[in-house]
Amino acid sequence: AQKVTQAQTEISVVEKEDVTLDCVYETRDTTYYLFWYKQPPSGELVFLIRRNSFDEQNEISGRYSWNFQKSTSSFNFTITASQVVDSAVYFCALPSGAGSYQLTFGKGTKLSVIP
Amino acid sequence: ETGVTQSPTHLIKTRGQQVTLRCSSQSGHNTVSWYQQALGQGPQFIFQYYREEENGRGNFPPRFSGLQFPNYSSELNVNALELDDSALYLCASSRSGRFSYEQYFGPGTRLTVT
Repeated sequence: AQKVTQAQTEISVVEKEDVTLDCVYETRDTTYYLFWYKQPPSGELVFLIRRNSFDEQNEISGRYSWNFQKSTSSFNFTITASQVVDSAVYFCALPSGAGSYQLTFGKGTKLSVIP
Repeated sequence: ETGVTQSPTHLIKTRGQQVTLRCSSQSGHNTVSWYQQALGQGPQFIFQYYREEENGRGNFPPRFSGLQFPNYSSELNVNALELDDSALYLCASSRSGRFSYEQYFGPGTRLTVT
């Protein structure tokens, strides 16, 4: 069965610091997708990124970057120069099986950025 | 482009009652998924609707049921409410059919069962 572990329950950083959110996953599938979502206090889950397991290149989008390492089953998310607006709960997720549309989420990491 | 909308925003019900939650999918999306998110937890998949039919179900009892309408909007119905049903209920819509990898979520309905 698929499993997503986000070991960091809560993280607090001071504004402009860099922060990395960890995600470790378990899957028996040889090909799969991985996702990160952001959930601000309003409750809506905001899609951040989808990564195919074929592609192990790191990805950067503005202040956000993702480090995918298949060998360690990790898909970590780094925010550079954090801002107060980054305060939210961040979820890592993967489909429940090959070709599945059901997402299995981790328990989330609550990030607080202090001004 | 209109995003996913859900109603109501908040709801308080008594144990044993029934509740209906509503979701309007994002423009151009024909697939709707429902998730339950308990406090401090990640969302749990309830079921998905595609072309007005249930297209998969998570580990939820039959008292959780749903509908999808021709305009792709959807309802989640929960009968015989239990205290543990208190949660944020999220609706997500997607563009593709059976394999809906990129799901766009609404703001959720916060259900409290007393």
